[in-house]
Amino acid sequence: DIQMTQSPSSVSASEGDRVTITCRASQGISNSLAWYQQKPGEAPKLLIYAASSLQSGVPSRFSGTGSGTDFTLTISSLQPEDFATYYCQQANSFPLTFGGGTKVQVK
Amino acid sequence: EVQLVESGGGLVQPGGSLRLSCAASGFTFKSYAMSWVRQAPGKGLEWVSAIGAGGAGTHYADSVKGRFTISSDSSTNTLFLQMNSLRAEDTAVYYCAKPLAAVAGTRWFDPWGQGTLVTVSS
Repeated sequence: DIQMTQSPSSVSASEGDRVTITCRASQGISNSLAWYQQKPGEAPKLLIYAASSLQSGVPSRFSGTGSGTDFTLTISSLQPEDFATYYCQQANSFPLTFGGGTKVQVK
Repeated sequence: EVQLVESGGGLVQPGGSLRLSCAASGFTFKSYAMSWVRQAPGKGLEWVSAIGAGGAGTHYADSVKGRFTISSDSSTNTLFLQMNSLRAEDTAVYYCAKPLAAVAGTRWFDPWGQGTLVTVSS
């Protein structure tokens, strides 16, 4: 199985800050990676797919980079509605696996 | 508008069974592989199972293999998850999720249903 390691597990930030979250796969997955945002009591929402493609309707302050084993999600200027938990997911092979999550909280 | 509505969750005793349903609308259900993903209280996301478009082919997480069965009914646009021999560690919100595109190998999900809570406890 492919293990996904996300870091940090939490980050404290202020509105306007640049936030970077990383995800590392235990083996190469090409660009088969997605990023989700989840707010309390809600289902996850797809932000980025194929490592760097922005899902329709997602603000351009979100961006994804990476290929192979190392991936990054960047929020260029944190907005109040961005305080949430973020997950990466490898889509290369079954079983599909998620990172442990990164909680972005108010500093 | 694409909609996924889960139902069938509830309280069940260890060793018991439960059948979850996910009613799909707004897209050509038979053309999409579908998945179940769960989230234990306060924990992260765990993929559970997937079924191919039109019900062709199934995949399971090791944690549920041999106990859970995924199926689909294209005549009613419904996805199912039959859960047997339930354990306390199966307690979670269960989401059904649709791949972004009806292309083989598309395994990122949008949208997700609202989830249904399964609690395994005596």
